Amino acid sequence: QKEVEQDPGPLSVPEGAIVSLNCTYSNSAFQYFMWYRQYSRKGPELLMYTYSSGNKEDGRFTAQVDKSSKYISLFIRDSQPSDSATYLCAMRTGANNLFFGTGTRLTVIP
Amino acid sequence: GAVVSQHPSRVICKSGTSVKIECRSLDFQATTMFWYRQFPKQSLMLMATSNEGSKATYEQGVEKDKFLINHASLTLSTLTVTSAHPEDSSFYICSAPRQGPSEQYFGPGTRLTVT
Repeated sequence: QKEVEQDPGPLSVPEGAIVSLNCTYSNSAFQYFMWYRQYSRKGPELLMYTYSSGNKEDGRFTAQVDKSSKYISLFIRDSQPSDSATYLCAMRTGANNLFFGTGTRLTVIP
Repeated sequence: GAVVSQHPSRVICKSGTSVKIECRSLDFQATTMFWYRQFPKQSLMLMATSNEGSKATYEQGVEKDKFLINHASLTLSTLTVTSAHPEDSSFYICSAPRQGPSEQYFGPGTRLTVT
């Protein structure tokens, strides 16, 4: 079993839709949870960072962490064509090593 | 703006040759940098942790004699792929933590093609 599981998609939504992206994990020691956005042939860009359980909102993006279910989510409101990218969840324990999901490829159709 | 740069962005080399990839932190010092490899439609896989002034730490299954890492200064880490083979063709990405371990910033990546 992989440490981090993420549905690779692809996911296509119309402009303005609410997007829900999810990851599950198996290691209960993970404490730090991140979402990265990666455009084609570019390095990942940090979008959201959450410590432990709870919600965090930043503009159109909301990150949720449920440690009891080992489940994290990223919601994108009012999705835009510029949101089209691959979204990677990542998490770590107290150490530096990040464990990544496989990424979900999102396309927002104008 | 970018906080971590990589050079080159793209390189094509012949089988058996060596290729060096540079990773620089642009406006901060990084005692630790990370090197990842990403195959098409797959996630990032950590290859090694580069430590300034000491030996790199390699992940299981990564050949340290093939992937040479040098972290000679607080702003520069290099990855040298020695005796490259076509199966080494991949997207190599470095990252560095800036303000804390979770504030990890990634370089733009280097696409290596070995012919």
